[in-house]
Amino acid sequence: GAGVSQSPSNKVTEKGKDVELRCDPISGHTALYWYRQRLGQGLEFLIYFQGNSAPDKSGLPSDRFSAERTGESVSTLTIQRTQQEDSAVYLCASSLGGAQETQYFGPGTRLLVL
Amino acid sequence: DQQVKQNSPSLSVQEGRISILNCDYTNSMFDYFLWYKKYPAEGPTFLISISSIKDKNEDGRFTVFLNKSAKHLSLHIVPSQPGDSAVYFCAAQKGAQKLVFGQGTRLTINP
Repeated sequence: GAGVSQSPSNKVTEKGKDVELRCDPISGHTALYWYRQRLGQGLEFLIYFQGNSAPDKSGLPSDRFSAERTGESVSTLTIQRTQQEDSAVYLCASSLGGAQETQYFGPGTRLLVL
Repeated sequence: DQQVKQNSPSLSVQEGRISILNCDYTNSMFDYFLWYKKYPAEGPTFLISISSIKDKNEDGRFTVFLNKSAKHLSLHIVPSQPGDSAVYFCAAQKGAQKLVFGQGTRLTINP
């Protein structure tokens, strides 16, 4: 079956512009997670959805970052007024949503803010 | 406060030998542990996992060992193959919550 898909695969934007990143989880997966990996750093958690609700937004670095999920499916991560430090690979993962369920990752969106 | 640590940034192993990657954690509430493999410009690929109620899980060439008292887990790959060369991330989870990742270990398999 299809895995997690993300679009775009690459995005170059100018500082101050807004960007939207999309994630399509594995069909039937109720949990969806966003992470990012900045150059030379580890993977850091951003936000977690269970269904369309976000019980954990603790990783969002600032109020410029927001995310939503609709239809217990697609999720969009929006970064407003992008800054150079937002440059990173943004990764989405999904799981069946229960405890001890494996998270499966998409290929990521590489964001470069000039 | 890094809750999951991989203290070896890199590891080099001869093809056919055993590769052992190590991971330590501090939060005793973690109940599920996973290893992911990552190639450049790709997302992490799930390799193997272990529940906190077990001390060993095996899948083909990959075995994960968990020592709860030491808060330590390890991934054994045997025999190591050139295609195993990648960055390996250890991750820990509590319930259905976020994964907490180590910094990764770059494994190089030499022919």
